[in-house]
Amino acid sequence: EVQLVESGGGLVQPGGSLRLSCAASGFTFSDHYMDWVRQAPGKGLEWVGRTRNKANSYTTEYAASVKGRFTISRDDSKNSLYLQMNSLKTEDTAVYYCARDSPYGDPFDYWGQGTLVTVSS
Amino acid sequence: DIQMTQSPSAMSASVGDRVTITCRASQGISNYLAWFQQKPGKVPKRLIYASSSLQSGVPSRFSGSGSGTEFTLTISSLQPEDFATYYCLQHNSYPQTFGQGTKVEIK
Repeated sequence: EVQLVESGGGLVQPGGSLRLSCAASGFTFSDHYMDWVRQAPGKGLEWVGRTRNKANSYTTEYAASVKGRFTISRDDSKNSLYLQMNSLKTEDTAVYYCARDSPYGDPFDYWGQGTLVTVSS
Repeated sequence: DIQMTQSPSAMSASVGDRVTITCRASQGISNYLAWFQQKPGKVPKRLIYASSSLQSGVPSRFSGSGSGTEFTLTISSLQPEDFATYYCLQHNSYPQTFGQGTKVEIK
């Protein structure tokens, strides 16, 4: 069974940093592209960024709203995905989901349960 | 960036109704379009990928169609468990972008 479990959310002050983790199981993690998607309270879904797999050099893509502040990485030996968030702003407050892309390139066939990040003073 | 516009933003419908939700892209995206369902407090769930392919385990009353700039999600006979918010997503180019959502409520 595919499982994605996020952790690391919490309360952080504006300008602070936080690192989210996503532990994957039930599939060959190293084969898949992985994404982060967020949802601000009461709002819609927003794609944050993607990491490709080893075969595609672990390259990354980011939404303009987070580029230069957020970094996506992965450790295939630990079946884990990460989101390093720096220079956090109040508008980064959201539930952050990790999501898997299918082996055929179609996005978000499985999602984690999400972790809440609150940026507030 | 490609803008995805869903219509309607909200709707009321009755059990058994046929429901159609439209998603328009600001430029052509071929068939790189997926649909998601999200119930309150729950994780989004993929219903449709590649515009018209039904996700495994999703009831056949859900269907998708379209190519280029106009897409539809159809629920052939609305069931009580289908009351939710639906989102389209384009993944033709970066940044991947979602529609604003369509909330389907009970009439």
